[in-house]
Amino acid sequence: LAKTTQPISMDSYEGQEVNITCSHNNIATNDYITWYQQFPSQGPRFIIQGYKTKVTNEVASLFIPADRKSSTLSLPRVSLSDTAVYYCLVGDRFSGGYNKLIFGAGTRLAVHP
Amino acid sequence: KAGVTQTPRYLIKTRGQQVTLSCSPISGHRSVSWYQQTPGQGLQFLFEYFSETQRNKGNFPGRFSGRQFSNSRSEMNVSTLELGDSALYLCASSWGLAGLDEQFFGPGTRLTVL
Repeated sequence: LAKTTQPISMDSYEGQEVNITCSHNNIATNDYITWYQQFPSQGPRFIIQGYKTKVTNEVASLFIPADRKSSTLSLPRVSLSDTAVYYCLVGDRFSGGYNKLIFGAGTRLAVHP
Repeated sequence: KAGVTQTPRYLIKTRGQQVTLSCSPISGHRSVSWYQQTPGQGLQFLFEYFSETQRNKGNFPGRFSGRQFSNSRSEMNVSTLELGDSALYLCASSWGLAGLDEQFFGPGTRLTVL
């Protein structure tokens, strides 16, 4: 069974760069790696998605090595409003004919003044 | 455009009952996925419907079922409720398949089983 592993929590300060890594050994061949942000009492919100190498958008970068067994979400110059839980989402290649989606357990990021 | 809506927002049921949750996706989206979120197990994938067909499913018992209508609206049903079914149930919609596309999540339905 696939397992997706992320650090449980991280602390940072305003203005710093934060990197959160997710390991996903059994990622489905055709699936993308997607990261979501969740605030209390809200549904997750899309941050960034990629298949391989590096993807960058206006809020984050995503680094994916060639073997795709891990990915790193990079948040440049975090602010207090980035305090949230961050999840990686991948497809499980050992899902017996169905493509089961696996969320990581989430990384609780606390940004301090 | 309007976001994903879920009804009801809160629900209290007793063990053994059944419940139906509803999700209206963003207009034009063809995929609706359902997730269960609990403090102990985190976010767990239930199933995905795409153009009225179940395309993907997670490791939940048969008591959890769903369907999607021709207008992409989706319902999730849980029969014979157990205490452990108490959770936040989230639905998400996307234009393409959930594993390949950006998903937009609704606010969730908070189910409490007594």
